[in-house]
Amino acid sequence: EVQLVESGGGLVQPGGSLRLSCIVSGFTFSNYWMHWVRQAPGKGLVWVSRIRSDGNRKHYADSVEGRFTISRDNAKNTLYLQMDSLRVEDTAVYYCSKDDYGSNTLDYWGQGTLVTVSS
Amino acid sequence: DVVTTQSPLSLPVALGQPASISCRSGQSLAHSDGNTYLSWFQQRPGQSPRRLIYNVSIRDSGVPDRFSGSGSGTDFTLKISRVEAEDVGVYYCMQGTHWPWTFGQGTKVEIK
Repeated sequence: EVQLVESGGGLVQPGGSLRLSCIVSGFTFSNYWMHWVRQAPGKGLVWVSRIRSDGNRKHYADSVEGRFTISRDNAKNTLYLQMDSLRVEDTAVYYCSKDDYGSNTLDYWGQGTLVTVSS
Repeated sequence: DVVTTQSPLSLPVALGQPASISCRSGQSLAHSDGNTYLSWFQQRPGQSPRRLIYNVSIRDSGVPDRFSGSGSGTDFTLKISRVEAEDVGVYYCMQGTHWPWTFGQGTKVEIK
């Protein structure tokens, strides 16, 4: 059974930092691109970032470019999102999601972790 | 970024009745590799998204056959043949043809 479990969310002040983690199981993590998608309270889904299976290619949404860093540890089956210079508008539930190779879509999602940026 | 627009944004439906959600993209979603990368996701209240359909019309394993997807180019549709209580939630389309991938705004399906 495929499982993705996020952690690391919480309350942080504007300008602060957080690191999210996503531990996966049930598939060969090192074979797949992985993504982060976020959802502000009561709003829709927004893609944030993705990383190639070997960790050597990364892409970011314009809204987080230069502030967020995606990474992975294939030995630990873990995906990360380092979030710096956080803004109030970064408040959202952050989901990690598995890329469905060859179909340009996301086939499995975690339960999400809530990040609240507020003073 | 490619804008994907869903309609309606709210859809009250009586139990057992059909429902239809439209998703329109600002550019054709026909990829140069011959595929069209349009997916549909269901998000039930308090849950994370679940993929229902990918490549326009391929249903995921375990998805009831009352859900179907169709369309081409810039116009796509998700249909529920007979709405059941468990279908309540928000439905999103997502295009994977153009980078970055983008989602529609979501359509909230509720029981009338």
